[in-house]
Amino acid sequence: NAGVMQNPRHLVRRRGQEARLRCSPMKGHSHVYWYRQLPEEGLKFMVYLQKENIIDESGMPKERFSAEFPKEGPSILRIQQVVRGDSAAYFCASSPDSWGNEQFFGPGTRLTVL
Amino acid sequence: DQQVKQNSPSLSVQEGRISILNCDYTNSMFDYFLWYKKYPAEGPTFLISISSIKDKNEDGRFTVFLNKSAKHLSLHIVPSQPGDSAVYFCAASNSGTYKYIFGTGTRLKVLA
Repeated sequence: NAGVMQNPRHLVRRRGQEARLRCSPMKGHSHVYWYRQLPEEGLKFMVYLQKENIIDESGMPKERFSAEFPKEGPSILRIQQVVRGDSAAYFCASSPDSWGNEQFFGPGTRLTVL
Repeated sequence: DQQVKQNSPSLSVQEGRISILNCDYTNSMFDYFLWYKKYPAEGPTFLISISSIKDKNEDGRFTVFLNKSAKHLSLHIVPSQPGDSAVYFCAASNSGTYKYIFGTGTRLKVLA
């Protein structure tokens, strides 16, 4: 049973470019969560999605960031017009239920903005 | 406002001894707590959890203690092994929600 998969593992972008981060949840999991970890900090919740629905995006910056989880295919976290402050590790997690089950994390995508 | 705090950024312990990692929280609505372990360049791995209806949960070498009145939880690892060297995050959530609020982590180093 494959775990949560994220790609790419490392992504380098210049300021103003777009970054697309992909997450495939564990088999049988229909809930996806995105977290961001800045250097020397803990993981911060960004967004919670189910298939074709954004349930909670309260942790996501209002501008330049968007997320989707289509009926087919991986969840995508999209950052437009990246700035240096977007440099961080972005982790995706999935769970089979929304509460009472631990979230399983992927290996993360490390985004570096030059 | 940091609702989950891990005040010790690092901890060194001799192999075979007990490691105690601490976590404090401020939100009394939190009723589910978890510990995750993270190796460099990997995602966090779930270790152990505890619901607020319990004050202790044990899984092999790992035990989590919850003191609700003090809003404090701790993770005990005994005996500690070099492979336990990692960053440990505690996380908290409240019933019916899915948001985990993470602490900033404690880097544990187990010395052989």
